[in-house]
Amino acid sequence: AQSVTQLDSQVPVFEEAPVELRCNYSSSVSVYLFWYVQYPNQGLQLLLKYLSGSTLVKGINGFEAEFNKSQTSFHLRKPSVHISDTAEYFCAVSVFTSGTYKYIFGTGTRLKVLA
Amino acid sequence: DAEITQSPRHKITETGRQVTLACHQTWNHNNMFWYRQDLGHGLRLIHYSYGVQDTNKGEVSDGYSVSRSNTEDLPLTLESAASSQTSVYFCASALTRDRQEQYFGPGTRLTVT
Repeated sequence: AQSVTQLDSQVPVFEEAPVELRCNYSSSVSVYLFWYVQYPNQGLQLLLKYLSGSTLVKGINGFEAEFNKSQTSFHLRKPSVHISDTAEYFCAVSVFTSGTYKYIFGTGTRLKVLA
Repeated sequence: DAEITQSPRHKITETGRQVTLACHQTWNHNNMFWYRQDLGHGLRLIHYSYGVQDTNKGEVSDGYSVSRSNTEDLPLTLESAASSQTSVYFCASALTRDRQEQYFGPGTRLTVT
């Protein structure tokens, strides 16, 4: 069965430090990959997505992610975080299974940026 | 600008009552989804619809129902609210089922006492 794993439930990091949020998926077929951000008391909004082509994808707010097919990973990175990046981050995959596309979310990683 | 709205934003109800949460989108998307978000579980799919008169069960559909009479709206009904349904509910829509992102509403915080 397809699944998405975000191993870190919480990641504390100091302001201006780099951060990596990890996402691994399990699927034997091609997938589309997404990262969303959720600020407190808001809905999710798209950070970036990988559909095809270059494995390095750049998104909004200085975030980027790299698709690694051999390791089935799609880790999110930012070279220098700001206090305003404090939020919850969700990885998601869209995969074709049982005759339809299924959208699967990870359980989220709470990023806490410290002053 | 196109948007997706949910109402009410907060709701407190009693066990056993029927509750309906509204979702309205002006994106003209055929695909609409309802999720619940609980600590430690991320987002879990309740029901989804790929078009007018089409509804499908998600992974946690027991105790919930939806109907789709037009493109813009997908109301979620809790037939007989239970304390286990206390959660934050999100509605989302998408242009396509596969490669397009989902657009989320602001959420409804439901408390069942």
